[in-house]
Amino acid sequence: EAGVVQSPRYKIIEKKQPVAFWCNPISGHNTLYWYLQNLGQGPELLIRYENEEAVDDSQLPKDRFSAERLKGVDSTLKIQPAELGDSAVYLCASSSGTSGYNEQFFGPGTRLTVL
Amino acid sequence: GIQVEQSPPDLILQEGANSTLRCNFSDSVNNLQWFHQNPWGQLINLFYIPSGTKQNGRLSATTVATERYSLLYISSSQTTDSGVYFCAVEWASGSRLTFGEGTQLTVNP
Repeated sequence: EAGVVQSPRYKIIEKKQPVAFWCNPISGHNTLYWYLQNLGQGPELLIRYENEEAVDDSQLPKDRFSAERLKGVDSTLKIQPAELGDSAVYLCASSSGTSGYNEQFFGPGTRLTVL
Repeated sequence: GIQVEQSPPDLILQEGANSTLRCNFSDSVNNLQWFHQNPWGQLINLFYIPSGTKQNGRLSATTVATERYSLLYISSSQTTDSGVYFCAVEWASGSRLTFGEGTQLTVNP
């Protein structure tokens, strides 16, 4: 069974440019998460989807970040415009959402460098 | 929000040694996971363990939910065990995982 797929793996952009990250979750997983990981820290949630619905986006900086999950499968996270402080690893995770069992599985991440 | 504390922050071992990593959390949790983040940044699932004890090869974990802590045991460590070990908790089913700061493990040959 394929794991969580993310692309690109690395991205280097100049500040004020837009950037987008793509995630394909594990087949059959209804819940999808985007996390941000800064160097030397644990990941922190940006947004959580249940199927197509964003049910927790309280930590998403909505002035420059947006996300979508069309058809409840793939998801895209966008930053526009990017700032120097956005340099980090962006991780996508998914879980089955089965009641009482919610193990999360992570993709390899996209390492963003903003110059 | 819920607080997660891991100790020690750094650990250096010789190959073959055993170690215990600790995770304390501040409130009742629905889920607890241990991850190993390898040098390439991939988070690898080690255990899904909201309570009880599990073993997988040289690794085992115990969570005592009533006392709000979990332990990860690594026996006969190998150089490939190097990396950062994260504990993460979920306070309600399907909610976010809150991660600790991690334990940086270095296993020398």
